[in-house]
Amino acid sequence: QKEVEQDPGPLSVPEGAIVSLNCTYSNSAFQYFMWYRQYSRKGPELLMYTYSSGNKEDGRFTAQVDKSSKYISLFIRDSQPSDSATYLCAINRNSGNTPLVFGKGTRLSVIA
Amino acid sequence: KAGVTQTPRYLIKTRGQQVTLSCSPISGHRSVSWYQQTPGQGLQFLFEYFSETQRNKGNFPGRFSGRQFSNSRSEMNVSTLELGDSALYLCASSDGQGKSSYNSPLHFGNGTRLTVT
Repeated sequence: QKEVEQDPGPLSVPEGAIVSLNCTYSNSAFQYFMWYRQYSRKGPELLMYTYSSGNKEDGRFTAQVDKSSKYISLFIRDSQPSDSATYLCAINRNSGNTPLVFGKGTRLSVIA
Repeated sequence: KAGVTQTPRYLIKTRGQQVTLSCSPISGHRSVSWYQQTPGQGLQFLFEYFSETQRNKGNFPGRFSGRQFSNSRSEMNVSTLELGDSALYLCASSDGQGKSSYNSPLHFGNGTRLTVT
């Protein structure tokens, strides 16, 4: 079983829609959860990060973590064409220097 | 601050050749990580250097190697290239001073696109 699973999509939505992006993970030792956004021909950029279960909001973006189900989500409200990108979840085991484990990414297209 | 700079942006090499990729981290960042990104496998961790020492290593063959210089700039080398090495190679830096990647997030460059023919 892979450590992190993410549906690759592609996901196509109309402008203004609410988008839900999800990842599941296998190891309960994972503690830190991040979402990166990657535009075409660019490197990933950190979008949001969270440590605890529950929700964290930042503008139109909400990151949600359910540690009991080993499930993380990113919600995008009022989606815009500029949100069209690949979204990668990234998870880290502990507070040490272990490397991030990334999902394969979900490609999102927001159609105007 | 300038971001992470990777050179070259594109490379075309032939099977059996070797290649060296370069990464200049954000000023003040002492940790440099390298990732390979392919459509099939996604982002896979190669190795991380901190203060010129390899701190972590992923599951890649010995053909993949790296180093870090005293100014934190890093290079990675792939010897005896194979077709399957075609990928986007991403470098990321962080201050990484004993902090987790939660507190010390990775900042990625735009990568080097390597094509092996």
